[in-house]
Amino acid sequence: DIQMTQSPPSLSASVGDRVTITCRASQNIGSYLNWYQQKPRKAPKLLIYHASRLQSGVPSRFSGSGSGTDFTLTISSLQPEDFATYYCQQSYSTLIFTFGPGTKVDI
Amino acid sequence: EVQLVESGGGLVKPGGSLRLSCAASGFTFSTYRAAWVRQAPGKGLEWVSSISGDSNYIFYADSVKGRFTISRDNTKNSLSLQMNSLRGEDTAVYYCARVRRDGDSVYFDYWGQGALVTVSS
Repeated sequence: DIQMTQSPPSLSASVGDRVTITCRASQNIGSYLNWYQQKPRKAPKLLIYHASRLQSGVPSRFSGSGSGTDFTLTISSLQPEDFATYYCQQSYSTLIFTFGPGTKVDI
Repeated sequence: EVQLVESGGGLVKPGGSLRLSCAASGFTFSTYRAAWVRQAPGKGLEWVSSISGDSNYIFYADSVKGRFTISRDNTKNSLSLQMNSLRGEDTAVYYCARVRRDGDSVYFDYWGQGALVTVSS
């Protein structure tokens, strides 16, 4: 089974900061990596799919990069509404999916 | 507008059963794969199960294999999760999600609001 890890588990940042979250897969997953944002008591929201493709309606300050086993989600200038938990997800196996443990971004 | 609405959550005793449903609307349900994802209180997201559009392909997480059964009724635009032999660690909010395949990309593009399942005596 493919295992996913994320770092850091949490981070504190300020509005306007550049934030970078890392995700690592236990094996090569190509570009089959998605990023989701979740706010408390809300369903997750898709931000980035296929490692670097921005979902429609998502602000351009979000970007994704990487391939193989190492991936990055970057928020270029943190906004108040970006304080949330971010999860990576592998979709290499098509119908078997694994999420990373999450990274909480707070003030 | 795409909508996914879960129902059937509630309180159940350990060893008991519960059936979750997800009503889909706003898209051609039969042409999309679907999945269940859960989130235990204060914890992260855990993929539970997935099903292809024609129900020919079904997969489960090891944590629920043999106890949970995913199914769908394309005539009713409905996804279900039958949960048997429930344990305390199954306590979670359960989300249904639409699985989109876009060329070489596969991702969960729409999610329901979630249904809370509490397993406790």
